[in-house]
Amino acid sequence: EDKVVQSPLSLVVHEGDTVTLNCSYEVTNFRSLLWYKQEKKAPTFLFMLTSSGIEKKSGRLSSILDKKELFSILNITATQTGDSAVYLCAVGTSGTYKYIFGTGTRLKVLA
Amino acid sequence: DSGVTQTPKHLITATGQRVTLRCSPRSGDLSVYWYQQSLDQGLQFLIQYYNGEERAKGNILERFSAQQFPDLHSELNLSSLELGDSALYFCASTTRVRPYTGELFFGEGSRLTVL
Repeated sequence: EDKVVQSPLSLVVHEGDTVTLNCSYEVTNFRSLLWYKQEKKAPTFLFMLTSSGIEKKSGRLSSILDKKELFSILNITATQTGDSAVYLCAVGTSGTYKYIFGTGTRLKVLA
Repeated sequence: DSGVTQTPKHLITATGQRVTLRCSPRSGDLSVYWYQQSLDQGLQFLIQYYNGEERAKGNILERFSAQQFPDLHSELNLSSLELGDSALYFCASTTRVRPYTGELFFGEGSRLTVL
């Protein structure tokens, strides 16, 4: 059965800290790995990774994929209170084109 | 605004009742996905349609059904509702243009409360 596991489940940090969120997966026919940020309602897209070892970067956020070890990390540097959210990892599969989501990591950044 | 429209935004109903949630995908997107998110849970995949045809099924209950119409909008029907069906139901759409690595675009969700 396809599975996506995120860790930690929750995290509390102070502004300025750096955090690393983890996502591991076991799926059939891996196609892509996606990171989303969910604040109140709809998840908003952050990154999509398809190739191993290539870092995607957007401002203070960056992510990398390891297809051999089947995991990805999302780094947030110099955290701000606005980074407080649930971060979701999803894996897209080819063939059936399913997107399997992990349960998310709830990040709280204290001022 | 993702371009995915869901209605209604909120719905309160009683156990045993039936409801229909509606989704209009982004213009041009042929694929529609339905997800259920219960309190403090991740997104549980329910079902996927592509151009009117069912393509993949997740942990969708037999009491739930869905379809995608010729104009590409989709409806999720939930019947014989139970308290545990209370959740946020998301619709998402994606393009299937090559290469098939498209991101999912989410609607704002329909919050269902079963009393």
